[in-house]
Amino acid sequence: TQLLEQSPQFLSIQEGENLTVYCNSSSVFSSLQWYRQEPGEGPVLLVTVVTGGEVKKLKRLTFQFGDARKDSSLHITAAQPGDTGLYLCADRPSGSQGNLIFGKGTKLSVKP
Amino acid sequence: GAGVSQTPSNKVTEKGKYVELRCDPISGHTALYWYRQSLGQGPEFLIYFQGTGAADDSGLPNDRFFAVRPEGSVSTLKIQRTERGDSAVYLCASSQGGSGANVLTFGAGSRLTVL
Repeated sequence: TQLLEQSPQFLSIQEGENLTVYCNSSSVFSSLQWYRQEPGEGPVLLVTVVTGGEVKKLKRLTFQFGDARKDSSLHITAAQPGDTGLYLCADRPSGSQGNLIFGKGTKLSVKP
Repeated sequence: GAGVSQTPSNKVTEKGKYVELRCDPISGHTALYWYRQSLGQGPEFLIYFQGTGAADDSGLPNDRFFAVRPEGSVSTLKIQRTERGDSAVYLCASSQGGSGANVLTFGAGSRLTVL
């Protein structure tokens, strides 16, 4: 069974700081996704990456996929309080019909 | 509807009672998923419907859990003889078929507390 490990588990920073969170898989990713989940809400898809070495940018967020497709990072530049939330990585295992496997997430708090 | 709607948003019940949680997916989405999220954990897959049929129910923890989607739209997750360990947020998600199958839209969840 594939395991996704995310680090750090918790992160508390001041507005304007930069940060990086990580996601590592016990096996090669099929189709890696990053989600953000705010309190009382469901996860919201941020990005999907499929190609090793791929880099995608979404405003102040930069997603990097490792060459071997077993690790990924999410870098946030000049964090804002609106970035606060639980950041989850997920994979759709090959051969599965639809389910996703999620990591435990990184809980980010950005203080003004 | 515009998004995935889940009811109730909160449910408190006593150990041993029966509970039903409802999910109304985005109109036209053929795939529907149920996940369970315990405190401090990521969502854990329970069951996946394609149309009316359960295509994958491998995540249901035991036979106290059951889900239906009789007309291929609204789904109900049913939990019999609830236990304290069933306390969690139950998330529903839907997606389109084909190339859109990889994009899941989640509802806000139903928080179940079993006393």
